[in-house]
Amino acid sequence: NAGVTQTPKFQVLKTGQSMTLQCAQDMNHNSMYWYRQDPGMGLRLIYYSASEGTTDKGEVPNGYNVSRLNKREFSLRLESAAPSQTSVYFCASSWARAQTDTQYFGPGTRLTVL
Amino acid sequence: GDSVTQMEGPVTLSEEAFLTINCTYTATGYPSLFWYVQYPGEGLQLLLKATKADDKGSNKGFEATYRKETTSFHLEKGSVQVSDSAVYFCALSDPSGSGSARQLTFGSGTQLTVLP
Repeated sequence: NAGVTQTPKFQVLKTGQSMTLQCAQDMNHNSMYWYRQDPGMGLRLIYYSASEGTTDKGEVPNGYNVSRLNKREFSLRLESAAPSQTSVYFCASSWARAQTDTQYFGPGTRLTVL
Repeated sequence: GDSVTQMEGPVTLSEEAFLTINCTYTATGYPSLFWYVQYPGEGLQLLLKATKADDKGSNKGFEATYRKETTSFHLEKGSVQVSDSAVYFCALSDPSGSGSARQLTFGSGTQLTVLP
């Protein structure tokens, strides 16, 4: 039982390049999330998927797109990377059947955009 | 909108000292409250949670009580260890707020370093 896995762990991009961050969970969770973590700002929600086949914007969606490929996988795409997108990206999942459900986090992807 | 305010860090303590990390919140509804911990190089993991007023969450010697009258959820531990060195995040889930009912709103995090 691996929990939530993310690839890659580290990535360096040049401004304007594109890339996709991959996330998978093996807990049969309904909902999945993408967050970014910046110093002094905690975690901010980029996009989430309440269930397979649905996606919604979070607090900071500009510059990103997502795909809920199936129940297990939720990818985050940067079409044209900008230095402001330098951050640590976390994927999370949960049952989301109740307000109190725990979110489980992956180990993160550290992205640098030059 | 919803917000979470944590005491600013970093916090440095000696082993066996008493820890308090303050957390207050603003929410439109009746939120659930969480403390997450992030060890170096890892993702966040749930430390404890509380779902209604006066509930006390506890885990690994850490405690926090949901205080509706003061909108607070302060984290405490009576005797910290070097292994408690990490970043601690307070968070809330508010079904009455904007966005997903399952969305978490995080505080900015508090870095704790415990010295031997």
